[in-house]
Amino acid sequence: TQLLEQSPQFLSIQEGENLTVYCNSSSVFSSLQWYRQEPGEGPVLLVTVVTGGEVKKLKRLTFQFGDARKDSSLHITAAQPGDTGLYLCAGETDSWGKLQFGAGTQVVVTP
Amino acid sequence: NAGVTQTPKFQVLKTGQSMTLQCAQDMNHNSMYWYRQDPGMGLRLIYYSASEGTTDKGEVPNGYNVSRLNKREFSLRLESAAPSQTSVYFCASSVVLYTEAFFGQGTRLTVV
Repeated sequence: TQLLEQSPQFLSIQEGENLTVYCNSSSVFSSLQWYRQEPGEGPVLLVTVVTGGEVKKLKRLTFQFGDARKDSSLHITAAQPGDTGLYLCAGETDSWGKLQFGAGTQVVVTP
Repeated sequence: NAGVTQTPKFQVLKTGQSMTLQCAQDMNHNSMYWYRQDPGMGLRLIYYSASEGTTDKGEVPNGYNVSRLNKREFSLRLESAAPSQTSVYFCASSVVLYTEAFFGQGTRLTVV
């Protein structure tokens, strides 16, 4: 059983479309990180959110942290082929005592 | 900047063989980690080292041992490889425990 659920598992869209991926848990996060992993590479950190209700933007990527700090979303506007990759969220809670990764959402953006 | 360097990138082992995966970071980070990544399972923590001189078990430590050789280096040893250990292994480091992690490129290990 995953402590941290990501949805959807797979997303295939055309260039120019928008997409949203989700990260949820029944636990309250102390902090939550989003990573992107490209084939054959290690994950690379995109953002860290720590405050409930926080919104962070990174060019065409918008990250939201839920008010209750139990969920987060990543929204990509006008997706490009370069956005293709596995998007992972990772959260830390007081009870877990460690950083827990979700299984990831595989995003494929075709030209 | 090299960041986190793992060796080897690929390895095939026979069941029962042993090997050591090497990891080094040049960012003066205190904490280092070993993860394995399997399809549909995400990244699972095998062992971690909060700081030089300490190591602790993660979520899936059975069949593995680690050594924090110095602040830069953290190795993972498989004493008697099993097919269930076929996976992609990632080393990572961070300034302090569970903050922004920097990952190596991974080692793809196949045990036959």
